[in-house]
Amino acid sequence: DTEVTQTPKHLVMGMTNKKSLKCEQHMGHRAMYWYKQKAKKPPELMFVYSYEKLSINESVPSRFSPECPNSSLLNLHLHALQPEDSALYLCASSQGSLVLGSTDTQYFGPGTRLTVL
Amino acid sequence: SQQGEEDPQALSIQEGENATMNCSYKTSINNLQWYRQNSGRGLVHLILIRSNEREKHSGRLRVTLDTSKKSSSLLITASRAADTASYFCATVRMNTGFQKLVFGTGTRLLVSP
Repeated sequence: DTEVTQTPKHLVMGMTNKKSLKCEQHMGHRAMYWYKQKAKKPPELMFVYSYEKLSINESVPSRFSPECPNSSLLNLHLHALQPEDSALYLCASSQGSLVLGSTDTQYFGPGTRLTVL
Repeated sequence: SQQGEEDPQALSIQEGENATMNCSYKTSINNLQWYRQNSGRGLVHLILIRSNEREKHSGRLRVTLDTSKKSSSLLITASRAADTASYFCATVRMNTGFQKLVFGTGTRLLVSP
């Protein structure tokens, strides 16, 4: 099974709402990622979890709060978002090799299309 | 920050023709990967080429890498309508033991029947 699932597929929220995006994989991967993609732009890395610990935060505003409850699940909690945060949010996972120089293919989910009103 | 730039930004061809996309990057890399994205959905990994490799094939895909010029190309031969998608190169710099992908700007490919 090489599938990464994301829920919901679409989300519309107001600027005062609190919502969460969910991501799940059952490939035994130990690294999980959140990306943000604006229309007609490439994905941009937000967060990386390695072995359930936050390893990279690409200076993401605190209104985005990631959580990794276990090795298969990754959440992104959203609070007080701005309209400019509307985008496709992609989750990915990889084996998460800790060996420098190793190759590590990332498997992406279908994304959650978020609209902030 | 975006490292790679791809050209062309958009490419329109007929079925059966070959499609070539180019990617340039700025820093030293561990490897370079190509991904496909259909209509704003998730990305699909196509092929990976390591920094010590010059050419790699996978089915109808051929990737070249020129580290001296910091550039790569993706060739899709005998294209099909189903190849219509956006194609991104992604470079990899090792960061704390695992890989941090930096995507290029992408090429939108349209293959007409």
